[in-house]
Amino acid sequence: EADIYQTPRYLVIGTGKKITLECSQTMGHDKMYWYQQDPGMELHLIHYSYGVNSTEKGDLSSESTVSRIRTEHFPLTLESARPSHTSQYLCASSEFGRKGLPLANYGYTFGSGTRLTVV
Amino acid sequence: KNQVEQSPQSLIILEGKNCTLQCNYTVSPFSNLRWYKQDTGRGPVSLTIMTFSENTKSNGRYTATLDADTKQSSLHITASQLSDSASYICVVSDRGSTLGRLYFGRGTQLTVWP
Repeated sequence: EADIYQTPRYLVIGTGKKITLECSQTMGHDKMYWYQQDPGMELHLIHYSYGVNSTEKGDLSSESTVSRIRTEHFPLTLESARPSHTSQYLCASSEFGRKGLPLANYGYTFGSGTRLTVV
Repeated sequence: KNQVEQSPQSLIILEGKNCTLQCNYTVSPFSNLRWYKQDTGRGPVSLTIMTFSENTKSNGRYTATLDADTKQSSLHITASQLSDSASYICVVSDRGSTLGRLYFGRGTQLTVWP
């Protein structure tokens, strides 16, 4: 019963095209994240947001950009896709820091991911 | 350096058997440890979350243990089913972050054979 939705699930696109990966959550979480994951490898944080109008780059350098105009929506854009961008992209949100919530026990939910292939 | 190491990298067991997956971490200061199940091509789904004061937590046939002194955790799966075939990821959060920062292991790829 996922409350965080990613579209599309799969995308095959040509080099040089502009793409936007959509991510929406209905849980009212302030914190949202984008991760990149290659097969058999760990997730790498590429972007995050503390809330509306907040966006930051993560640990792994990425040519993608993100925006956070609404709490529930955190899209990721690649202006010019390249084969090196081929990967799985996972969106997540968390209730970390919500008032009254224990700092050590908070929900952290992932979307189903978008498998991007650039040819 | 904050790290999470998992073993084994992959594991094959027969349906109905039990298995135990291991996780060692160096993340400090420690906040919590989560186990996720990730089916191929899908996002991770939470199985358990444990804080510093918790030693064990169960979720159906999944039982996680935590030893915060030795910085080790294990995930025990009882009476495995074919649907348990997936990657199991150990994830540790640190207390010093204002973001809810997570550190991920590479996962153990479990295959259950009939």
